[in-house]
Amino acid sequence: AQSVSQHNHHVILSEAASLELGCNYSYGGTVNLFWYVQYPGQHLQLLLKYFSGDPLVKGIKGFEAEFIKSKFSFNLRKPSVQWSDTAEYFCAVNGPPGGKLIFGQGTELSVKP
Amino acid sequence: SAVISQKPSRDICQRGTSLTIQCQVDSQVTMMFWYRQQPGQSLTLIATANQGSEATYESGFVIDKFPISRPNLTFSTLTVSNMSPEDSSIYLCSVRTGSDGVQYFGPGTRLLVL
Repeated sequence: AQSVSQHNHHVILSEAASLELGCNYSYGGTVNLFWYVQYPGQHLQLLLKYFSGDPLVKGIKGFEAEFIKSKFSFNLRKPSVQWSDTAEYFCAVNGPPGGKLIFGQGTELSVKP
Repeated sequence: SAVISQKPSRDICQRGTSLTIQCQVDSQVTMMFWYRQQPGQSLTLIATANQGSEATYESGFVIDKFPISRPNLTFSTLTVSNMSPEDSSIYLCSVRTGSDGVQYFGPGTRLLVL
């Protein structure tokens, strides 16, 4: 069965530090890939998505992610985090596209001011 | 995009009772889903709510426990039946729009079963 794995359960960073959150998936065919964010007390929002084309995708609030097909990975990055980035981040995969959206376990990011 | 509302936003229920959660979308959508997010865990798909036919349930979820209705393209309900404390969770409605293929999520219903 398809699965999504996020490497870090809880990440703690200071403001201005760089961020990379790992995500790997198990589906071998064509996939659509997503990162969602859930800020404290708010509902799940789309951060960015990859369907096809340039494997480096940019999302909102300075986030970007790189799809590496050979590694079945879709890691999320941000060069300099802010306190307001404190949230839970979920990687999700549609494989095949249009099928079920499967979520990783989530990574809680805490940014210290 | 899609704007999704859910009612109630939260509830505290006694074991053995049932709760029906409503999901309303601001536009017609083909695909609607129900997810569960247990404390400290990720989102798990319960079922796909099909308009005009029975819902499609994921492994581990059954219609008797989680009956779903989808009377039209903008509305669905999920009932959590014969509740136990293990059903304490956040229940999320989600829709996928045909225009951009993205799945959007409602604010969730936070359920506590005593």
